[in-house]
Amino acid sequence: GQNIDQPTEMTATEGAIVQINCTYQTSGFNGLFWYQQHAGEAPTFLSYNVLDGLEEKGRFSSFLSRSKGYSYLLLKELQMKDSASYLCARSSGSARQLTFGSGTQLTVLP
Amino acid sequence: DTGVSQDPRHKITKRGQNVTFRCDPISEHNRLYWYRQTLGQGPEFLTYFQNEAQLEKSRLLSNRFSAERPKGSFSTLEIQRTEQGDSAMYLCASSLDRVGAKNIQYFGAGTRLSVL
Repeated sequence: GQNIDQPTEMTATEGAIVQINCTYQTSGFNGLFWYQQHAGEAPTFLSYNVLDGLEEKGRFSSFLSRSKGYSYLLLKELQMKDSASYLCARSSGSARQLTFGSGTQLTVLP
Repeated sequence: DTGVSQDPRHKITKRGQNVTFRCDPISEHNRLYWYRQTLGQGPEFLTYFQNEAQLEKSRLLSNRFSAERPKGSFSTLEIQRTEQGDSAMYLCASSLDRVGAKNIQYFGAGTRLSVL
């Protein structure tokens, strides 16, 4: 995806913690979203950051640094069902259209 | 109405045919977005509506693509004279845009188009 960079693939073990990083261009920025997408399904909203800092929601947390154009998604206590693509998306402009990265395919191994 | 619904889920067509997809957003949402997603990529923004007004359409892929939202509720995306390169997943999303809202976009399951 244009202007959004995230790793293509990651592998982790069940029960572990994994951090997925995302960098983005800061111009016109008005929010950073993370979505989960299982193969053949719709992207599902996970988290939203607009201010610097950490947002925690159960096993998932997301961090934002606006000055650095950097975010990460932290997944704790990994489960097999967490195997999916994780999409970082930047909201911009009055349209608040989302510009997505290409997604990070996470594989959780037993 | 618990989410965004799209119809059909799958569409197979021959090159040169016209196709139309429908999206029903979450009922109280005033914004509706169309995206396209190809294999291994994130969704790519196409166009969006604020109520019935189409406020951005410069990102539609060609003049063969058009979208409508006549009454500010459901929307349709039409592709005329389909080409094999149009094969993709077409996703619809809706959100509530108002002061203080986060404008979170919720996605439908998409319409997968295959052009033979």
